[in-house]
Amino acid sequence: DAMVIQNPRYQVTQFGKPVTLSCSQTLNHNVMYWYQQKSSQAPKLLFHYYDKDFNNEADTPDNFQSRRPNTSFCFLDIRSPGLGDAAMYLCATSRALAGGEQFFGPGTRLTVL
Amino acid sequence: AQSVAQPEDQVNVAEGNPLTVKCTYSVSGNPYLFWYVQYPNRGLQFLLKYITGDNLVKGSYGFEAEFNKSQTSFHLKKPSALVSDSALYFCAVRDKGFKTIFGAGTRLFVKA
Repeated sequence: DAMVIQNPRYQVTQFGKPVTLSCSQTLNHNVMYWYQQKSSQAPKLLFHYYDKDFNNEADTPDNFQSRRPNTSFCFLDIRSPGLGDAAMYLCATSRALAGGEQFFGPGTRLTVL
Repeated sequence: AQSVAQPEDQVNVAEGNPLTVKCTYSVSGNPYLFWYVQYPNRGLQFLLKYITGDNLVKGSYGFEAEFNKSQTSFHLKKPSALVSDSALYFCAVRDKGFKTIFGAGTRLFVKA
């Protein structure tokens, strides 16, 4: 089945220790997104790619970076995680259509010790 | 800017009864509206969307939503609730480009 895969599902890191979360998709969608979600709140968009075109949200901290080496893969790098970065990180994809719905991965729950 | 509001933090309904989860929106231009569901420790799942056409949109798992332009609402409905429908529901609107704005979410509890 076509899907969005996130690895790992659970990630524990130490305060200040860099961490990378990965996302892959078999849907061949142009657009990929990274969201941060805390405590059942609305997902907060960090950035998105349209093909290789990177779009950063104005309020996304510099501590968060992303890479998309090809259509299928996208990575979220947190350079120096703080306690406030503990959250669920969701990857999503969509077709490049105005009304295209998003397809979400299962998420990676990040714990910062 | 586009926005959606979900006025209820929580909705409680008995199994077998109809359910409604409310959503109102504010958009400039034609609205692209969505409903997503999230189960514990999972990503969001798309339920249905309204782009154009019939005001009553049917989606997954027996859910439907009614687009009401005059009331700027897009309420999610189901004729007969199941315990397994208990989850967190998000209304969303497409913003410029490829961004989507999500509502704060409504937690649905269906009691057996």
